[in-house]
Amino acid sequence: ETGVTQTPRHLVMGMTNKKSLKCEQHLGHNAMYWYKQSAKKPLELMFVYSLEERVENNSVPSRFSPECPNSSHLFLHLHTLQPEDSALYLCASSQDLPGSTETQYFGPGTRLLVL
Amino acid sequence: GNSVTQMEGPVTLSEEAFLTINCTYTATGYPSLFWYVQYPGEGLQLLLKATKADDKGSNKGFEATYRKETTSFHLEKGSVQVSDSAVYFCALILRGGNNRLAFGKGNQVVVIP
Repeated sequence: ETGVTQTPRHLVMGMTNKKSLKCEQHLGHNAMYWYKQSAKKPLELMFVYSLEERVENNSVPSRFSPECPNSSHLFLHLHTLQPEDSALYLCASSQDLPGSTETQYFGPGTRLLVL
Repeated sequence: GNSVTQMEGPVTLSEEAFLTINCTYTATGYPSLFWYVQYPGEGLQLLLKATKADDKGSNKGFEATYRKETTSFHLEKGSVQVSDSAVYFCALILRGGNNRLAFGKGNQVVVIP
């Protein structure tokens, strides 16, 4: 399998549930990203991992908890979410080289609905 | 800061019409520029990119030219098809920066048969 894959593709959860989103990249990249795409809002960068270390957290609430166990896998753990967290969550990866502008490749996303 | 501005509102046009989506940018340095496309129910796919002034990115009949003098990267296609219906995002990465994409808000394009 090639590219960036995400599971599940769709998720419905209650506000008291705990769930996890999974992302896997098969491109040999060393950086991975979580984005949130809400209706009628620009794409929001949530977290960035480079060489398995979190290098950026853009003021994301603690009910979102990322995990990067290795350079190919990225998780987003969800706990006590709010209805306004309903959105499309996109994972991306790139080869992060200092001073470069490497292209980011995106997965298909997980469509999350919080009831 | 670094930002990307796309023209407001959806674009609706007939099959075989000419498409233009405007994109302008503000950057503190020398960016690389990208167009991504998002088909219904899918994630973002890289459509084309340009890394220096006067470069032209092209793919699937789409073209965009990096214009440093007007800080623009307008997307064009000479004859659209129904299958081109999607949301199109302009984006930049600042060279020598932190390698973070800055996206425009996106434009919904609807092509009518």
